Amino acid sequence: ETGVTQTPRHLVMGMTNKKSLKCEQHLGHNAMYWYKQSAKKPLELMFVYSLEERVENNSVPSRFSPECPNSSHLFLHLHTLQPEDSALYLCASSLGAGQANYGYTFGSGTRLTVV
Amino acid sequence: AQTVTQSQPEMSVQEAETVTLSCTYDTSESDYYLFWYKQPPSRQMILVIRQEAYKQQNATENRFSVNFQKAAKSFSLKISDSQLGDAAMYFCALEAGGTSYGKLTFGQGTILTVHP
Repeated sequence: ETGVTQTPRHLVMGMTNKKSLKCEQHLGHNAMYWYKQSAKKPLELMFVYSLEERVENNSVPSRFSPECPNSSHLFLHLHTLQPEDSALYLCASSLGAGQANYGYTFGSGTRLTVV
Repeated sequence: AQTVTQSQPEMSVQEAETVTLSCTYDTSESDYYLFWYKQPPSRQMILVIRQEAYKQQNATENRFSVNFQKAAKSFSLKISDSQLGDAAMYFCALEAGGTSYGKLTFGQGTILTVHP
């Protein structure tokens, strides 16, 4: 399978639940990203990983916890979320954290609803 | 800090006609890259076109072309011979150096509707 794959496609969770979003890429890219897309707002960068090391944490609340076990997989662990966290969460990858000038390859996102 | 502004929340075009989507940006870096991404209802962001700031020639990809005005910090996307499949949300994005090295900054997006 090629490209960037995100699972699940949709997720509904209560505020006390714990869930995880998964992202997988088989492009040989060394950098992976989490973005949050809310209605009528620009995409917000959440985390950047380069060669499995977190290089950016863009002031994201601790209820979002990323994990990058290897350069092909990226997770976003969720716990005690708030309704305002409902959004589309997009994963992306690039050749390297310093090579985003070729652009990103995106997944199809996980539509998260917090109830 | 980098900023990207898309002032048109929505645009519409008749099939086979031409439409231009606007984007302005701001950066203090001299070396940067600009992109247009398309997000159809399937939600996956697809790279449409890429422009290197140091190249004066405007990038083109088939029916898609840009008007890059570096001094004005403007980067508009022209879609010629619009097709129904062009209907999507379009995002302008900037990758610059400095503290934003390796990160894309996106605009708010423009929803494009194509009428048959």
